[in-house]
Amino acid sequence: AQKITQTQPGMFVQEKEAVTLDCTYDTSDQSYGLFWYKQPSSGEMIFLIYQGSYDEQNATEGRYSLNFQKARKSANLVISASQLGDSAMYFCAMRENTISTGNQFYFGTGTSLTVIP
Amino acid sequence: DSGVTQTPKHLITATGQRVTLRCSPRSGDLSVYWYQQSLDQGLQFLIHYYNGEERAKGNILERFSAQQFPDLHSELNLSSLELGDSALYFCASSVVLQGNYGYTFGSGTRLTVV
Repeated sequence: AQKITQTQPGMFVQEKEAVTLDCTYDTSDQSYGLFWYKQPSSGEMIFLIYQGSYDEQNATEGRYSLNFQKARKSANLVISASQLGDSAMYFCAMRENTISTGNQFYFGTGTSLTVIP
Repeated sequence: DSGVTQTPKHLITATGQRVTLRCSPRSGDLSVYWYQQSLDQGLQFLIHYYNGEERAKGNILERFSAQQFPDLHSELNLSSLELGDSALYFCASSVVLQGNYGYTFGSGTRLTVV
């Protein structure tokens, strides 16, 4: 089974509108972390936001917020007031802490976001 | 700037050849993770080194090998290259992000096998 599932290969959003990028995850661990990364066309991977499995409040970081629904195992990224520079690939990732492998990360297949002027 | 340095940024080579990709983690970071990102496979974990020792192996081909040196830089060696090895290769360090451990990535090496 996939550890991280991103079901939206591509998304479009009007500039200044909000957009939600979906992410579901699969783990039997109680302690884990969820991350979102942005990959612009230049290729680098940029960390955006983190949510811990024990965090009761949704994480926020500027225009980014993470809609964390633990029971549904979803960690959707919400980008408010979209800007042209938000056009990029977005990856959801999960860190599981295992004794044998340390901080093992799993990535989704990504969502390509295009912001339309 | 993530502080993780990868060289070279671009590499073009022929099938059957061997290349070495280099990664220097952030100063003081002991971990190096290597990932391969290809169009059809997404981000695939290859291997993890911690303070010179291999900690975990992912989907790394036998034609690929890696090592981490005493100064903590790491090299990923790719041999008998095939067209399908064309990809973006990232290394990452484990760092504290917003109070918890996450990855910070280098800018990647884009390998093109022709």
